[in-house]
Amino acid sequence: GQQLNQSPQSMFIQEGEDVSMNCTSSSIFNTWLWYKQDPGEGPVLLIALYKAGELTSNGRLTAQFGITRKDSFLNISASIPSDVGIYFCAGHRTGNQFYFGTGTSLTVIP
Amino acid sequence: EAQVTQNPRYLITVTGKKLTVTCSQNMNHEYMSWYRQDPGLGLRQIYYSMNVEVTDKGDVPEGYKVSRKEKRNFPLILESPSPNQTSLYFCASSSLTGGRSNEKLFFGSGTQLSVL
Repeated sequence: GQQLNQSPQSMFIQEGEDVSMNCTSSSIFNTWLWYKQDPGEGPVLLIALYKAGELTSNGRLTAQFGITRKDSFLNISASIPSDVGIYFCAGHRTGNQFYFGTGTSLTVIP
Repeated sequence: EAQVTQNPRYLITVTGKKLTVTCSQNMNHEYMSWYRQDPGLGLRQIYYSMNVEVTDKGDVPEGYKVSRKEKRNFPLILESPSPNQTSLYFCASSSLTGGRSNEKLFFGSGTQLSVL
C-alpha cells in the first residue's frame, strides 16, 4: 500500500525556534491533513487543506498544499514545550482511503 | 459530543484466545477504518469500510477480521491472536458526503493490546 514520505523523521529543537516538516507522494491528492499525536493518545487533526496552493494557519501552525498536489508542508513558529509529539501528514482522494506519512517526532528543549 | 469510542483502552491476552475490539462513532460517518501503530512504522491500515456491508483490506489485514453491519459500529476481531499482533490500535471515521471539507479523519483514543 501507499505510504507518504515524511521528513524529517525526528527533530530536536530549542524552545522558541521555528520548525518545518514536509510530506511527499508519488500520487496526487485532493485533500491534505496534518495531525499531532501525544504519547498513548489518538492523532488529533491540526489543519486540513483542500486546494492546490492553499496556505492555512491555525495559531502558530501554518500548512500549505503543494501546487503539484503531491506534497504538503507544515511549519510551527516559536515552538513551546507542549509542541512535543509526533506529527503525521495524511493524503486523501475523494472516494478512496486515507494514506499516512511515517511521522515526524518533535522534541522541544526548554 | 462528536467522538469515536474504542473499547477496551488496554487489553492483555494470551495467544490463540479470540478477542474483539469495539469501535463506535456518533457522527453518522460513512467511512471507518482500523490502524495499528508500531514504533518506527507509523500508522498502518488494517481494514477500512466505505459504508455499511462494504469492507476492504488495508496494508496489513492478515490475522484480522472486521464487520460493518451498522453504520456506527466497526469492530476489529482477532480470531487467534499472536504475539506479533501486540500493538497500539486506532479506529477512525470520516464523512464522505457534504463536500471535501467534511472529509477529515477522526481518531479514537486507542487500544493498547498485548498478546502473551
